[in-house]
Amino acid sequence: DAGVTQSPTHLIKTRGQHVTLRCSPISGHKSVSWYQQVLGQGPQFIFQYYEKEERGRGNFPDRFSARQFPNYSSELNVNALLLGDSALYLCASSLAWASSGSYNEQFFGPGTRLTVL
Amino acid sequence: KNEVEQSPQNLTAQEGEFITINCSYSVGISALHWLQQHPGGGIVSLFMLSSGKKKHGRLIATINIQEKHSSLHITASHPRDSAVYICAVLANAGGTSYGKLTFGQGTILTVHP
Repeated sequence: DAGVTQSPTHLIKTRGQHVTLRCSPISGHKSVSWYQQVLGQGPQFIFQYYEKEERGRGNFPDRFSARQFPNYSSELNVNALLLGDSALYLCASSLAWASSGSYNEQFFGPGTRLTVL
Repeated sequence: KNEVEQSPQNLTAQEGEFITINCSYSVGISALHWLQQHPGGGIVSLFMLSSGKKKHGRLIATINIQEKHSSLHITASHPRDSAVYICAVLANAGGTSYGKLTFGQGTILTVHP
């Protein structure tokens, strides 16, 4: 079975441009989370989606947005790119949205490396 | 102070040595992940645990919920173990937890032959 897939693998943009990153979860998984990992640091939570609804949002500006489609795949959009948006963007999928003390293990994709010039 | 702290930040070992990486956290958690990240970025989940101890091959992970501390041990280390090891926790707030992982800064492990 295929794991979490992300596209593209690498991307180069210039300041002010817009970017769309894509993620396909493991078959049967209904939750997708997005993380940003700046070089030398641990990942930071951006969004979590479950059943096409936003369930959690990290401390990121409104330039960052996301959505989840009926097939549970997801897009992360970043507008008005800044140099500081250069990072590895990771997508993780899990069976469900954790609640009431239950938890579903997250499985990570290979990431999209975004470079903003 | 970060909610999740790892030590050491860098670790160099000779092949065959026993390795320990530590993770301390300051919030109540539902679960803790140990993750491995190789150059190029892909993250692999090694363990998810909420109590006790888990073992997989040469890797052992332990967690002490009362002390808010977890350790990852690698026995008989090998150069192919060289990677960044990251601890991540799922916080439990008021009995409800969400899929937001909070990560440590990672431990860079280099194992020399």
